[in-house]
Amino acid sequence: AQSVTQPDIHITVSEGASLELRCNYSYGATPYLFWYVQSPGQGLQLLLKYFSGDTLVQGIKGFEAEFKRSQSSFNLRKPSVHWSDAAEYFCAVVKITGTASKLTFGTGTRLQVTL
Amino acid sequence: EPEVTQTPSHQVTQMGQEVILRCVPISNHLYFYWYRQILGQKVEFLVSFYNNEISEKSEIFDDQFSVERPDGSNFTLKIRSTKLEDSAMYFCASSILAGAGEQFFGPGTRLTVL
Repeated sequence: AQSVTQPDIHITVSEGASLELRCNYSYGATPYLFWYVQSPGQGLQLLLKYFSGDTLVQGIKGFEAEFKRSQSSFNLRKPSVHWSDAAEYFCAVVKITGTASKLTFGTGTRLQVTL
Repeated sequence: EPEVTQTPSHQVTQMGQEVILRCVPISNHLYFYWYRQILGQKVEFLVSFYNNEISEKSEIFDDQFSVERPDGSNFTLKIRSTKLEDSAMYFCASSILAGAGEQFFGPGTRLTVL
């Protein structure tokens, strides 16, 4: 069965510092991977996704992620964090069965940004 | 920009009562989903729905749960007899494509069972 692990429950960075959020996946085939962000009181917003091709994918809000098959990882990065980036971040993998697809999420990483 | 909407934002109910959570997916989307997130835990898949029938459901989605698309715009999740452990945030999502198509999420309904 597919699974996603986010080893960091909580991360604190200073505004302007770089950020890397870790995600490791387990999936039998080529995975389709996603990063979502959840701000307080909000739904889940897609930051970026990886399907195939270039292993470095760009997303919204200046985020990027790199797919590394050898490490089963899909880490999220941002070169300079803004205070508005404080939120919870979820990595997910999709399982596709016919017309059905379901996302399997990690437990999330809560990002706190200090000024 | 089109978005998924959910009502109510917060529902409080007594154990054993029936609740219906409502969602309006994005209008041209064909695939619909419910997920839930128990406080402090990960977001979990409940069910996917396409062409007026369930495509896949999780172990959580037992006989107490049902989904329906009663008209061309709404997508509902019914819990027949709520239990304390049903307290969670319930998210509706929709996508225009199956497979790796992006799922757009609503803001969620927080269900509190007393």
